[in-house]
Amino acid sequence: ELKVEQNPLFLSMQEGKNYTIYCNYSTTSDRLYWYRQDPGKSLESLFVLLSNGAVKQEGRLMASLDTKARLSTLHITAAVHDLSATYFCAVDTSGSRLTFGEGTQLTVNP
Amino acid sequence: DVKVTQSSRYLVKRTGEKVFLECVQDMDHENMFWYRQDPGLGLRLIYFSYDVKMKEKGDIPEGYSVSREKKERFSLILESASTNQTSMYLCASSPGQVEKLFFGSGTQLSVL
Repeated sequence: ELKVEQNPLFLSMQEGKNYTIYCNYSTTSDRLYWYRQDPGKSLESLFVLLSNGAVKQEGRLMASLDTKARLSTLHITAAVHDLSATYFCAVDTSGSRLTFGEGTQLTVNP
Repeated sequence: DVKVTQSSRYLVKRTGEKVFLECVQDMDHENMFWYRQDPGLGLRLIYFSYDVKMKEKGDIPEGYSVSREKKERFSLILESASTNQTSMYLCASSPGQVEKLFFGSGTQLSVL
């Protein structure tokens, strides 16, 4: 059974600081997705990582994938309040069927 | 923009009722999915469909069924609602394999 674990589950940080969210998964896959969810809203796709070594960046967020280590990271640079949300990673092992992590609730304080 | 529309934002039902959750997508996507979201558990896949009239069980199908009579519409059915089915239900669609999912806004179902 595929397990997807995120670390940390709760993250409170100050504006301007850097931090990394980790996503570990238990079985072979070379497709990983990051989503963002604002309170009371649905999920919005952030990144799609489709191969080992893939790196994607948008604004203050950068995601990477190491399929050998079964690890993806979401790095936050110089956090701002607007990044406060819950972030989910999801692993695809059989064609669009995604298994999600528990989510990381990020709060960026002024 | 892709739109995935769920018919209700909030629903309150009684134990034992039959409940229908409707989802419609407007981008001719092949794949459609139903997830439930519970605090601390992330999203868990209930059922999915890769084609009309086709369905596959996800990780937690017990107590649920689905219907896909038309490509754009995917319905989730709770045959006899129970309190442990109180949850946020999210519908999603994607155009094909290895494609990101587009999510609806969710239905918060409370079973009393």
